[in-house]
Amino acid sequence: SQTIHQWPATLVQPVGSPLSLECTVEGTSNPNLYWYRQAAGRGLQLLFYSVGIGQISSEVPQNLSASRPQDRQFILSSKKLLLSDSGFYLCAWSEGQGLEETQYFGPGTRLLVL
Amino acid sequence: KQEVTQIPAALSVPEGENLVLNCSFTDSAIYNLQWFRQDPGKGLTSLLLIQSSQREQTSGRLNASLDKSSGRSTLYIAASQPGDSATYLCAAMGYGGSQGNLIFGKGTKLSVKP
Repeated sequence: SQTIHQWPATLVQPVGSPLSLECTVEGTSNPNLYWYRQAAGRGLQLLFYSVGIGQISSEVPQNLSASRPQDRQFILSSKKLLLSDSGFYLCAWSEGQGLEETQYFGPGTRLLVL
Repeated sequence: KQEVTQIPAALSVPEGENLVLNCSFTDSAIYNLQWFRQDPGKGLTSLLLIQSSQREQTSGRLNASLDKSSGRSTLYIAASQPGDSATYLCAAMGYGGSQGNLIFGKGTKLSVKP
């Protein structure tokens, strides 16, 4: 069966510090991968998605970036965090050729920028 | 370990009907309970969020209830429309750590026929 992992579960970082959140999927090959953010009062927002290694699409311009160095690894990064980056970050995966496939979500990372 | 179950897995109704989607969770120590809508190709949309101290939330034709003691939540959709067709996910947010953060059910796929 497929599983999705995210770490860390919780993170407190100062403004201006770098960020690296990791997501890995097991039990599937060539998944579509997604990063979402849920900020207070804003619901869930799609940040990035990837249909293959090295292929990243950005949905919202911001100071975050994503990378996919391996087939089942998706990393969310920032060089300098802003206060507004605080939120709950979800990674998800889906299989199939299109983005309309059902997405399965990880447990999330709660980020607090102070 | 928190487990979230949604029943039914799929539901087909004629336009205009009122309907109820069910969600149950095994651990009542939740921070909040959320309902999402998933449209093909559009990721997730947050519908309603019920804090653990609340019993219900309403938004337009949607009403979500929460009964922590019984480990249940329901999403009531009034006067259903074809545009309501989507997959509806509920998710329980724990307090982090070994509980995990946001634990999703597998969803109920709703089809509203004109």
